[in-house]
Amino acid sequence: DAGITQSPRHKVTETGTPVTLRCHQTENHRYMYWYRQDPGHGLRLIHYSYGVKDTDKGEVSDGYSVSRSKTEDFLLTLESATSSQTSVYFCAISDSGANGPLHFGNGTRLTVT
Amino acid sequence: KNEVEQSPQNLTAQEGEFITINCSYSVGISALHWLQQHPGGGIVSLFMLSSGKKKHGRLIATINIQEKHSSLHITASHPRDSAVYICAVARYGNKLVFGAGTILRVKS
Repeated sequence: DAGITQSPRHKVTETGTPVTLRCHQTENHRYMYWYRQDPGHGLRLIHYSYGVKDTDKGEVSDGYSVSRSKTEDFLLTLESATSSQTSVYFCAISDSGANGPLHFGNGTRLTVT
Repeated sequence: KNEVEQSPQNLTAQEGEFITINCSYSVGISALHWLQQHPGGGIVSLFMLSSGKKKHGRLIATINIQEKHSSLHITASHPRDSAVYICAVARYGNKLVFGAGTILRVKS
C-alpha cells in the first residue's frame, strides 16, 4: 500500500475554532489532493497541490486554506470551522496527477458542533 | 445535470451473479478511474483507463470514448465485493470529477 497517512482520524470541534488536518506521504509523489465526502454529493475537490508551494483551488474551496512547505506534507486548515464543514475528509496522492493511479488516505471524520 | 452519472444507484445481487455498473460522462476526458469504498473504509483505486479494456482478477473495466461511457463488470460476485463503486473522470488538467457512486450488496 502507498504510504499515506492522515491525522487525526477523528476530530470533534466547536463552531468558530480553527482546525488543521494533516496528510503525510512517504511516496515522494508530486500531486496531493484534499477531498470532502458528504452523503448525496460524492467526493468533491477542496484544494490540490502540484508541487511544493504550488496549490490550486477546487470546486468547494471557500472556508479552507492549504499549505505545502515540503513534498511529504499537505495541510488543510479550516480557519473558523462551521457546521457545514462537518464531513469526512480524504487526502489522495498521485505521481501523474489525474492521469495516474490515485492512492487515498483512510480519511478524517470531522464533526463541528 | 451532473457531469458524471452512474447507474444503478443501488444494486443487490446474489452470490455468483455477473454484475455491471455503468458510468456516463458529458465532458471531454483524458482518463477514467474506478474506485472501491468498503463501508467505513478507505478508498481503493481499481482501474485507470483511457481506452479499451482492463482486467484484474474478477473485475473488468471497459471504456468507449466515442460514446462517453464506461462499465465495470464483476464476474462470479462474492459478498466481499459489497462496497460502493465510484467512477471518476479526469478533465484535461489535474482535477477529477466524481460520480455519486453505486452501492453494491452481494448476498450469500
